[in-house]
Amino acid sequence: EAQVTQNPRYLITVTGKKLTVTCSQNMNHEYMSWYRQDPGLGLRQIYYSMNVEVTDKGDVPEGYKVSRKEKRNFPLILESPSPNQTSLYFCASRKTIQGDYGYTFGSGTRLTVV
Amino acid sequence: GENVEQHPSTLSVQEGDSAVIKCTYSDSASNYFPWYKQELGKGPQLIIDIRSNVGEKKDQRIAVTLNKTAKHFSLHITETQPEDSAVYFCAASTGSARQLTFGSGTQLTVLP
Repeated sequence: EAQVTQNPRYLITVTGKKLTVTCSQNMNHEYMSWYRQDPGLGLRQIYYSMNVEVTDKGDVPEGYKVSRKEKRNFPLILESPSPNQTSLYFCASRKTIQGDYGYTFGSGTRLTVV
Repeated sequence: GENVEQHPSTLSVQEGDSAVIKCTYSDSASNYFPWYKQELGKGPQLIIDIRSNVGEKKDQRIAVTLNKTAKHFSLHITETQPEDSAVYFCAASTGSARQLTFGSGTQLTVLP
């Protein structure tokens, strides 16, 4: 089944303790992205990657890092999490062919930073 | 950058009635406008999209219209059913889709 898999689904952590949220896709998509979803704010892009070793900032990159060493994986790293990073996070991917811009989203990771 | 505004934030309709959700965008270079449906506990799922060279697109009970002059686009759901209840997001991008900018979402509730 074609899908984007995020882990973990739920995570509670303490301020300052480094964490990584993993994202993997099995569709051979070139493009991957991370979004955070907050009430009343919709989905805001954190980082995106056009292909392996190519990453760029989205609208809200502060406090986050990403890497794209393999095509299928795009982990999100919080080096020193803070309470304002408590949110619902989504990873998404798409194939970058002309005329096809549909995203496939993962099921989400609900992060709480206390 | 692009700014997408979505209205209303909540919408309740009776089963069988139509629902309309509206979005406006700010960047006249935007040319791709997808709509996503998010059910409780799940990630958003693409339900329909439209490109700037088309004014309207239909897929069964769902249709999207685009007015490039006014920079707004709308989602129309006819003959609503309880399973249409979800959060709907509009989005816009300039075609390269490096960045897809989302609206703030509409919670649609279809009352039986």
